[in-house]
Amino acid sequence: IAGITQAPTSQILAAGRRMTLRCTQDMRHNAMYWYRQDLGLGLRLIHYSNTAGTTGKGEVPDGYSVSRANTDDFPLTLASAVPSQTSVYFCASSEAGLSTDTQYFGPGTRLTVL
Amino acid sequence: AQSVAQPEDQVNVAEGNPLTVKCTYSVSGNPYLFWYVQYPNRGLQFLLKYITGDNLVKGSYGFEAEFNKSQTSFHLKKPSALVSDSALYFCAVEDSGTYKYIFGTGTRLKVLA
Repeated sequence: IAGITQAPTSQILAAGRRMTLRCTQDMRHNAMYWYRQDLGLGLRLIHYSNTAGTTGKGEVPDGYSVSRANTDDFPLTLASAVPSQTSVYFCASSEAGLSTDTQYFGPGTRLTVL
Repeated sequence: AQSVAQPEDQVNVAEGNPLTVKCTYSVSGNPYLFWYVQYPNRGLQFLLKYITGDNLVKGSYGFEAEFNKSQTSFHLKKPSALVSDSALYFCAVEDSGTYKYIFGTGTRLKVLA
């Protein structure tokens, strides 16, 4: 079934540790996105990529990095996790990264930083 | 700056009654507007979008939304609510020219049996 997969489903992490959240899509979409969801704040964009080989910063990029080596994968790395990064993280993709595109979301990763 | 507001944190409605979830927006150009639904412990699912054309947009699961340019609103509606419609609903607007969404804070819909 076509779609977006994320791993892990959930993770508890000690502060200061490095963590990579994985995201893979099989729809051959050009654009991919990482959001975090926090109560009362909705979804906020962390980083995005309009096409393989390019990335950009979203609304809340500090403490996170991404790479886009190929079309399908868009990992999000926390170099040194802090408790404020406790959140639910969603990966999304869209076909062309156009203004009118629909974004499709993965099931999310629940991350707790202690 | 572009923005979107969902003024109600929660909406309660009886099963079988019509429902409305409100959304207002602020954009500098033509608005591209979206509604998504999130069920517990799930990702967001696309419901519908307004790009251009007819102000009444029909989407998945019997939902529709009305684009009102003069009131800068894009309210989500359904004629007859189901208990299974209970979920978290997000309105989003495309951040003009950036190809990225700005999401509202979400409205929790509770349909009572």
